[in-house]
Amino acid sequence: DAKTTQPNSMESNEEEPVHLPCNHSTISGTDYIHWYRQLPSQGPEYVIHGLTSNVNNRMASLAIAEDRKSSTLILHRATLRDAAVYYCILRDVDNYGQNFVFGPGTRLSVLP
Amino acid sequence: EAQVTQNPRYLITVTGKKLTVTCSQNMNHEYMSWYRQDPGLGLRQIYYSMNVEVTDKGDVPEGYKVSRKEKRNFPLILESPSPNQTSLYFCASSPHVGDGEKLFFGSGTQLSVL
Repeated sequence: DAKTTQPNSMESNEEEPVHLPCNHSTISGTDYIHWYRQLPSQGPEYVIHGLTSNVNNRMASLAIAEDRKSSTLILHRATLRDAAVYYCILRDVDNYGQNFVFGPGTRLSVLP
Repeated sequence: EAQVTQNPRYLITVTGKKLTVTCSQNMNHEYMSWYRQDPGLGLRQIYYSMNVEVTDKGDVPEGYKVSRKEKRNFPLILESPSPNQTSLYFCASSPHVGDGEKLFFGSGTQLSVL
């Protein structure tokens, strides 16, 4: 499985934008880029995903590099409720079962 | 409400005493999976199931069993639990293994094996 690397932790001030980076230099053409987050004492929850084009939804935006070797999750205005561990993972559509491989993620702290 | 339900939320047991953690989803999802989460190791996949009667090993299957007799249920069985299986367990499901389908997770089961 292709691997991702993320910073262990990041900090942000409340109501400021946050850019969470993810490197996936060995990404294949059939890998989707997924982002999940895990709030304290909860299971992970889906945030956003994309293949080649940038994506927006009500939670966040996903910016994908042209060569697809990196991506950035953008929270436009961080709130205290966004403090969580964020996971960037690759989902290979040609390898169904073991296609959600979670690394340690990035722990985001939001300061009031 | 669409959800993945795990039970129990917390479980303390002793070495060797068989236990089952239940997982049920009400979304008619084909794909279901079990993960364990340990500090510093992230989420590691134990077993997954593509559909009824179809299961396969993930990255850390040793010491665990699963079954998928019905679409909605995917129980995790520890025949003879050991202390190294103390962990936080998550069940997840997905509509089908197609392009970009996302995972839905349960709230977790904190297991302690003494």
